[in-house]
Amino acid sequence: DGGITQSPKYLFRKEGQNVTLSCEQNLNHDAMYWYRQDPGQGLRLIYYSQIVNDFQKGDIAEGYSVSREKKESFPLTVTSAQKNPTAFYLCASSPQTGIEEKLFFGSGTQLSVL
Amino acid sequence: SQQGEEDPQALSIQEGENATMNCSYKTSINNLQWYRQNSGRGLVHLILIRSNEREKHSGRLRVTLDTSKKSSSLLITASRAADTASYFCATAIGSARQLTFGSGTQLTVLP
Repeated sequence: DGGITQSPKYLFRKEGQNVTLSCEQNLNHDAMYWYRQDPGQGLRLIYYSQIVNDFQKGDIAEGYSVSREKKESFPLTVTSAQKNPTAFYLCASSPQTGIEEKLFFGSGTQLSVL
Repeated sequence: SQQGEEDPQALSIQEGENATMNCSYKTSINNLQWYRQNSGRGLVHLILIRSNEREKHSGRLRVTLDTSKKSSSLLITASRAADTASYFCATAIGSARQLTFGSGTQLTVLP
């Protein structure tokens, strides 16, 4: 999966709990992204970051939070405000956010609610 | 709503046959990309076609783009069982800095 490591592979959340999904890349890419994938559906953008200490909301940011303190790392927190968190979460990176940039993806984290 | 929509949603063929998947979109784009996803894994970039290009090849893959019809097709020739995966188109719109993905075509290649 091209130098992007997501962990854990499976994660379970209890009601009212915040959970954090890890994403680390060693590709020296500037831009990083978080997508949510529901069964039989395409990817929806949660957040993206073009540089360290800066990030922008995507289409479905409510109930999620991110940080970008290091170029290599872009963790995603699924908060208790996200009422339907069960999904497959994908982290991606690209050298920059130009319009012809291709994305490199991690292997994903499956989040389920207990 | 999704910018790109793939058709068919599912496709099952025999090994050695060609597989064709289509993608339609709604607004003008800068480029269109195709990605592949094996079950339970991340996506892998296959090919990018610019809005001023009509056809592009990469190995057994052929992508066409018809901007007048706002559609693209992905052809996989001489398919193999290992081609079994979901295939997604993704469009870059105007000056948007993120891609918009369709819902994908699930391709099954039977040995």
